[in-house]
Amino acid sequence: KNEVEQSPQNLTAQEGEFITINCSYSVGISALHWLQQHPGGGIVSLFMLSSGKKKHGRLIATINIQEKHSSLHITASHPRDSAVYICAVRDTGNQFYFGTGTSLTVIP
Amino acid sequence: NAGVTQTPKFRILKIGQSMTLQCTQDMNHNYMYWYRQDPGMGLKLIYYSVGAGITDKGEVPNGYNVSRSTTEDFPLRLELAAPSQTSVYFCASRETGELFFGEGSRLTVL
Repeated sequence: KNEVEQSPQNLTAQEGEFITINCSYSVGISALHWLQQHPGGGIVSLFMLSSGKKKHGRLIATINIQEKHSSLHITASHPRDSAVYICAVRDTGNQFYFGTGTSLTVIP
Repeated sequence: NAGVTQTPKFRILKIGQSMTLQCTQDMNHNYMYWYRQDPGMGLKLIYYSVGAGITDKGEVPNGYNVSRSTTEDFPLRLELAAPSQTSVYFCASRETGELFFGEGSRLTVL
């Protein structure tokens, strides 16, 4: 069993739709990270959070420590949001565990 | 501020050849990591370092070696390349929080 599970694996949305990507984890964590990877590209950190909620532009990340669950929301999705979104957790021993990613395609 | 720089971006190796993937960061980060990314799999940790002179194995270290002689540099050495080492390799660094990744190195072993 993977320490980090993401859903869905693949997601197709129409431009303008509200998108939610979910992440569940099974280890005790110090922090949770949301990462973005464009096709053939590098990996960029979007958020790091250990409690509550963070917002950056049209992106919102939330975490529920008790339920060991995090969500990444994208409001008013745009084709440039098409990418793979990766959830990663850093455990209390400073080791990282990564989900397999959610591939998002936003259609104009 | 360049962040994390990896070279080369692409490389094709023949079975049995050796090579070094270079990774340099200019943020004075103590923690550095090497990951490999295979299709449909999450990033797998190869080696990591918590500071100059200190390295340790990750989940999939076989066939690789690292060194950390300076804070800035963390090269990954592939000895006797095998087809199973065909992958995309990412170097990353951090201090207390956010992870910073290089652009990745796509390696094919034929």
